[in-house]
Amino acid sequence: NAGVTQTPKFRVLKTGQSMTLLCAQDMNHEYMYWYRQDPGMGLRLIHYSVGEGTTAKGEVPDGYNVSRLKKQNFLLGLESAAPSQTSVYFCASSYPRGTQETQYFGPGTRLLVL
Amino acid sequence: TQLLEQSPQFLSIQEGENLTVYCNSSSVFSSLQWYRQEPGEGPVLLVTVVTGGEVKKLKRLTFQFGDARKDSSLHITAAQPGDTGLYLCAAHRGKLIFGQGTTLQVKP
Repeated sequence: NAGVTQTPKFRVLKTGQSMTLLCAQDMNHEYMYWYRQDPGMGLRLIHYSVGEGTTAKGEVPDGYNVSRLKKQNFLLGLESAAPSQTSVYFCASSYPRGTQETQYFGPGTRLLVL
Repeated sequence: TQLLEQSPQFLSIQEGENLTVYCNSSSVFSSLQWYRQEPGEGPVLLVTVVTGGEVKKLKRLTFQFGDARKDSSLHITAAQPGDTGLYLCAAHRGKLIFGQGTTLQVKP
């Protein structure tokens, strides 16, 4: 039982390049999330999904796109990377349990945009 | 403006000392969570508090939810180097909202 896994672990991009971050979970969770973490700002929600084939915008969605074609996978895409997207990206998944929901996080992807 | 304000933002102490981390808001929440994040890893849930005035203990960690359900505290007794990490409070406001975190460094 691997939980939540993320690939790649680390990536360096040049401004304008594109890439896709992959998140996979083996807990049969309905909900999946993408966050970015920057120093002094905690975790900010980029996009989320409440089920296969559905996605929604979070707090900071600009410059990112997502897809959830399979229940276990949630992809985050950067179409044209910018230095402001240098961050650590975390994926999380959960069962829908209202305000007592527990989110399970992956180990993160460190992205540096030059 | 952060919905959840954590203080202090950074704390460096010696092994064996006690400490308290605070999570404050002007909003009322039906529950509040605390996560710990170790360097190079994702956050892991420590506890969820749901009742005003509730106190929960997890070994040397004591969590309290304020009577008015607007704030919470995390107290660590006799801190150890293994307690080093980033402590995040979080609450639901449609989706899970996180505070900016408190970085704790416990020196041997």
